[in-house]
Amino acid sequence: DGGITQSPKYLFRKEGQNVTLSCEQNLNHDAMYWYRQDPGQGLRLIYYSQIVNDFQKGDIAEGYSVSREKKESFPLTVTSAQKNPTAFYLCASSIQGLKNGYTFGSGTRLTVV
Amino acid sequence: GENVEQHPSTLSVQEGDSAVIKCTYSDSASNYFPWYKQELGKGPQLIIDIRSNVGEKKDQRIAVTLNKTAKHFSLHITETQPEDSAVYFCAASMIQGAQKLVFGQGTRLTINP
Repeated sequence: DGGITQSPKYLFRKEGQNVTLSCEQNLNHDAMYWYRQDPGQGLRLIYYSQIVNDFQKGDIAEGYSVSREKKESFPLTVTSAQKNPTAFYLCASSIQGLKNGYTFGSGTRLTVV
Repeated sequence: GENVEQHPSTLSVQEGDSAVIKCTYSDSASNYFPWYKQELGKGPQLIIDIRSNVGEKKDQRIAVTLNKTAKHFSLHITETQPEDSAVYFCAASMIQGAQKLVFGQGTRLTINP
């Protein structure tokens, strides 16, 4: 079955450490997105990519980095510059024209220890 | 940029009654309005969407209405069931261009048996 897979489900980060969240899709979608979700809040856009080897900053890109070397993969790195990284991170993908909207992964919960 | 406001933040209804969640958006260029359902610890799932060339769309017990003049849209769930309990998010975007979804803050819907 086609879908979008995020790993790991839970991730613990020490102070000053960089961590990378994985996002893989086999839906043949061109566009991919990373959102951050905090308790009681909506989803906020971190980065997005509409095509391989190209990506754009979203509303809260500071302290994060991404790459898009393959159509299927869009990993997110949470760097030590991100001062409050504890959150639920969601990856999504879509086709042009937003037919069927976004397909979301099941998320990664990141906790700073 | 686009801003989406969602109300209420929490909603409790008796099983079998109807539930209505409302959203307003700020950018008149937005032309795509999806609704997502998120269960605890999972990624959001698209339940219904509407494009600006129609005023209403139904799918079984779920309907969405759009008022472009007033820039607001609503989700209606009839004959609610316990499995409808979840957090619901509205969003807005343009189908063209970057296709970035801007989300509302979410509504926690509880169906009381």
